[in-house]
Amino acid sequence: GDSVTQMEGPVTLSEEAFLTINCTYTATGYPSLFWYVQYPGEGLQLLLKATKADDKGSNKGFEATYRKETTSFHLEKGSVQVSDSAVYFCALTLNDYKLSFGAGTTVTVRA
Amino acid sequence: DAGITQSPRYKITETGRQVTLMCHQTWSHSYMFWYRQDLGHGLRLIYYSAAADITDKGEVPDGYVVSRSKTENFPLTLESATRSQTSVYFCASSESRQNYGYTFGSGTRLTVV
Repeated sequence: GDSVTQMEGPVTLSEEAFLTINCTYTATGYPSLFWYVQYPGEGLQLLLKATKADDKGSNKGFEATYRKETTSFHLEKGSVQVSDSAVYFCALTLNDYKLSFGAGTTVTVRA
Repeated sequence: DAGITQSPRYKITETGRQVTLMCHQTWSHSYMFWYRQDLGHGLRLIYYSAAADITDKGEVPDGYVVSRSKTENFPLTLESATRSQTSVYFCASSESRQNYGYTFGSGTRLTVV
């Protein structure tokens, strides 16, 4: 079935470090891809999205590019802050409205 | 306030009891969803609804019941709670397919003892 695999955490970084979270997908068609972020004690929030190949989603300094050739949607940020500490989820949807989520990656940024 | 509200935020119940988790959204979004979040499993879809009176099973529906008599409400009922249903439950809504993503509630942490 359609699924998302993202890198296991936890990931611990120092402030201003570069962050990459890998996400690859398996799908029978051409999915839309999403990154969600969950801050402690809160629900998930949409961080960014891309709906077709080569699209780049961006928000709050985070970027991800939809790579059809490698079936990937890696999340990157050039300089993280303590406030970026959260759990990050990669997700996809195909021709319906059901999102399939990865297992989540916990990121901790230390001052 | 506008948004999506879940209640209660925390609930402890005993094995075998019936429990209902509430979800209310103020946008009149057509689509609503229930997910459970467990360590190592990410989020798994329990049930979803495309409109009032239209519901369908997700990935892990066993032991749960939903209803949607009004567009804004989507309660989730555990008919006879089991310890394996201890989890954090999230409700979400969506305006339309795919491109808008979901808006999530703050979650209900349920413990079954």
